[in-house]
Amino acid sequence: DSGVTQTPKHLITATGQRVTLRCSPRSGDLSVYWYQQSLDQGLQFLIQYYNGEERAKGNILERFSAQQFPDLHSELNLSSLELGDSALYFCASSLSTSGTDTQYFGPGTRLTVL
Amino acid sequence: DQQVKQNSPSLSVQEGRISILNCDYTNSMFDYFLWYKKYPAEGPTFLISISSIKDKNEDGRFTVFLNKSAKHLSLHIVPSQPGDSAVYFCAAGRNTGKLIFGQGTTLQVKP
Repeated sequence: DSGVTQTPKHLITATGQRVTLRCSPRSGDLSVYWYQQSLDQGLQFLIQYYNGEERAKGNILERFSAQQFPDLHSELNLSSLELGDSALYFCASSLSTSGTDTQYFGPGTRLTVL
Repeated sequence: DQQVKQNSPSLSVQEGRISILNCDYTNSMFDYFLWYKKYPAEGPTFLISISSIKDKNEDGRFTVFLNKSAKHLSLHIVPSQPGDSAVYFCAAGRNTGKLIFGQGTTLQVKP
């Protein structure tokens, strides 16, 4: 158990819909990262937050947005969903923004868009 | 543009033998490299890391080697155990937290 929790575990929805994925970081960690893993792909970095502020952006679509709240939990919002958005979405947390801090991953949310 | 590549999608080894997983990268600005292990239905778990100022880091049965001139790193597992069967991802980063992951190599260790 990494200490990072993600809800829900599975999500099935239709094209055009909007969903929210939730992540609670490990106790004491201030940084939260979101990654997407599509079929047969590695993990693609989406976005990083540190103590409530956006710190880095990767290949995140404009239809996707995220935020980190004062209690440090984070939400990833996916809107106007397309079939290609079906993937595993992982959240990770680390102590700070240092690249040498270990990132601890949650179990992921499997999103299926029908 | 795949900055981190794991060219072998799968690897099968006998229990007790050495497993060698390989990873290549293209960006010479990466200064930190990691290996993560992933079991089905779980998130990736950190295994071992190496800074670009080193060429080897060892932790028990796991050793990571870094060849900066070749932009290549490898993970050695000795001896391999059936419980090591999993997907292994290499990742690279700079002094920020953003990590670039390879596509993963599925390791099967046969009893």
